[in-house]
Amino acid sequence: DAKTTQPPSMDCAEGRAANLPCNHSTISGNEYVYWYRQIHSQGPQYIIHGLKNNETNEMASLIITEDRKSSTLILPHATLRDTAVYYCIVRDYYGGSQGNLIFGKGTKLSVKP
Amino acid sequence: NAGVTQTPKFQVLKTGQSMTLQCAQDMNHEYMSWYRQDPGMGLRLIHYSVGAGITDQGEVPNGYNVSRSTTEDFPLRLLSAAPSQTSVYFCASSRQASGSSYEQYFGPGTRLTVT
Repeated sequence: DAKTTQPPSMDCAEGRAANLPCNHSTISGNEYVYWYRQIHSQGPQYIIHGLKNNETNEMASLIITEDRKSSTLILPHATLRDTAVYYCIVRDYYGGSQGNLIFGKGTKLSVKP
Repeated sequence: NAGVTQTPKFQVLKTGQSMTLQCAQDMNHEYMSWYRQDPGMGLRLIHYSVGAGITDQGEVPNGYNVSRSTTEDFPLRLLSAAPSQTSVYFCASSRQASGSSYEQYFGPGTRLTVT
């Protein structure tokens, strides 16, 4: 079973920031938080990952709370092309059976004009 | 690089037929995996491999076999197709099986219908 909880759907206005929350209250010290997205039945696409520090790349920012029990993915200026299902996944650093990506149902983000 | 390629893109099988879904990557990635995705659901892991000659089961392995004789290829075999195996199948690869850099690259998927 997925170790994360996400809202099933969210809306965002085009040009505004999209903030997607994720709860992972049972996360362990070895586990990273990963975000992927899937645009209309294509293969999932990696967005960003982090351990405990906030992370930023050209696609998004990842904010992880100090207790690491939740995180937020931020798309700073959402466009219509960001409409997708976003998956938050925790994954063990050391690999093995706990190192696989286990997908939940994700959050369906709809960006509206 | 072509990345992760999957063939065929679409396939229709009759119940009881067998077939192999092909997956190849040209990035010299150590880790490869197969997922299935049913309508309205997230992806479920079928089998994975942490290197040539090494495979293991994921969440939903029944009815599927895999092998990894080379680093590049990771075929998925359906032994005797059933309607419950109608799904979209995704193959993925990653440079490493462990560590902090675990960006997985996914193929475009194979859409399989079993009648």
